[in-house]
Amino acid sequence: DVVMTQFPLSLPVTLGQPASISCRSSQSLVYSDGNTYLNWFQQRPGQSPRRLIYQVSNRDSGVPDRFTGSGSGTDFTLKISRVEAEDVGVYYCMQATHWPPSFGGGTKVEIK
Amino acid sequence: EVQLVESGGGLVQPGGSLRLSCAASEFTFSDYWMTWVRQAPGKGLEWVANIKQDGREKNYVDSVKGRFTISRDNAKNSLYLQMNSLRVEDTAMYYCAGYTSGWYRNYWGQGTLVTVSS
Repeated sequence: DVVMTQFPLSLPVTLGQPASISCRSSQSLVYSDGNTYLNWFQQRPGQSPRRLIYQVSNRDSGVPDRFTGSGSGTDFTLKISRVEAEDVGVYYCMQATHWPPSFGGGTKVEIK
Repeated sequence: EVQLVESGGGLVQPGGSLRLSCAASEFTFSDYWMTWVRQAPGKGLEWVANIKQDGREKNYVDSVKGRFTISRDNAKNSLYLQMNSLRVEDTAMYYCAGYTSGWYRNYWGQGTLVTVSS
C-alpha cells in the first residue's frame, strides 16, 4: 500500500503569514493515463472533510486563491499565502492513483 | 444544494452488525463512484470501500474484507454499507462520499458514528 507522509504534524501560524504543508508518497503517484491523483482536504473542527485541491494543483470551486498546490512524482506541497482564522483545522493529502486510496496523517494548522 | 445524508450508526456490541445508509440528492448519483471513509475518534481518515457507478466493481481495504459489504441502489439514489462481525477497532465516524472518475468532482456527507463496545 502507498504510505503518505505529511509534515509538519502541527503548524502554528500567525494570522496573515504564509504556511506550507509537505506530503511525500512511498511510490510515484503518476497514473498510467499521465495524471497524478493527489488531493488536498481541509477538515475544520467538528466538520467533515472538504476538498481544496485535486490533481496536485487544481483548486475546487469556491476555494480561495490563497490556497495553492504543487509538486510532482512523490513530493507535494500545499501553501496558504496568508493564513486567516477560518483556515484553522487539519489538512490531509490523499492519493487516489493506487488501490487502496490513502491519506496522510494530517497537519494541524492553528493560530499562534 | 447537493446533499449526502448518512444514517444507521449507533452503539453495537463486538461481533454485532449494523447497516449504514447514505441518501444522495441534487446530483446525478449514477454518474459517481461512491465510497465509505471512516475516522476513528481523534485520528486520521481511512478509506473503507468503494463501488463503481453501475455497482459491478467493489473494492475493500484489507481490514474489512469479508466482514463489510458495500452496495448501491441507483433508483433510490442510495449507498449502503453492511457491517458484520464488528470489532472495537471499527469504532469511527463513517463518511459517505461520491466522486467522478478522475476526481474532478466530489461530495461528502456529515458522517454517522459507529461505536463498537461491550
